[in-house]
Amino acid sequence: EAQVTQNPRYLITVTGKKLTVTCSQNMNHEYMSWYRQDPGLGLRQIYYSMNVEVTDKGDVPEGYKVSRKEKRNFPLILESPSPNQTSLYFCASKERGQGPHTIYFGEGSWLTVV
Amino acid sequence: GQQVMQIPQYQHVQEGEDFTTYCNSSTTLSNIQWYKQRPGGHPVFLIQLVKSGEVKKQKRLTFQFGEAKKNSSLHITATQTTDVGTYFCAGPGWNSGGSNYKLTFGKGTLLTVNP
Repeated sequence: EAQVTQNPRYLITVTGKKLTVTCSQNMNHEYMSWYRQDPGLGLRQIYYSMNVEVTDKGDVPEGYKVSRKEKRNFPLILESPSPNQTSLYFCASKERGQGPHTIYFGEGSWLTVV
Repeated sequence: GQQVMQIPQYQHVQEGEDFTTYCNSSTTLSNIQWYKQRPGGHPVFLIQLVKSGEVKKQKRLTFQFGEAKKNSSLHITATQTTDVGTYFCAGPGWNSGGSNYKLTFGKGTLLTVNP
């Protein structure tokens, strides 16, 4: 079954405590991306990756890091989380290119920073 | 940068009524995609439109891509309670360096259906 798996699904953490949200896909997709979803602001892209070792900033990259050492994994790292990073986070993947490729989203990770 | 605007922000209908959401891009798009997100769920890809003036149907859903490839619409005929959710359009673009692939989402239209 085609899947994008995120962990943790829910997390409450404290300001400044480094955390990582993992994302893994089983479809051998080259393209992966992270989004955050906030009320009234919709889905905004944080980072994306076209392939292993190739990453680039999206629209809201401040405060986040990513890495792409393997094709299937694309972790999102918050080195020093702050309350304004409280949000719902989605990882997504698809085949490379602009063809009619289905984009698959993970189930989301609710992050609260206090 | 590229902007994708969607209206209305909210729409409440009686079951059986029709529903339409509109999407406009500040730039010409190579294609446009539509997603549905159920309450508490994650976005689910519905369709991608590529050609100017393209119209595609999925049962009671009709998707259109404008002739200028800058606007699109999603129309649902005879809504059902299962149609409840937020509908997003999204347009691909390229970053400032022209070397990568970005996806810009509209803010979505939340559809509620009164049974």
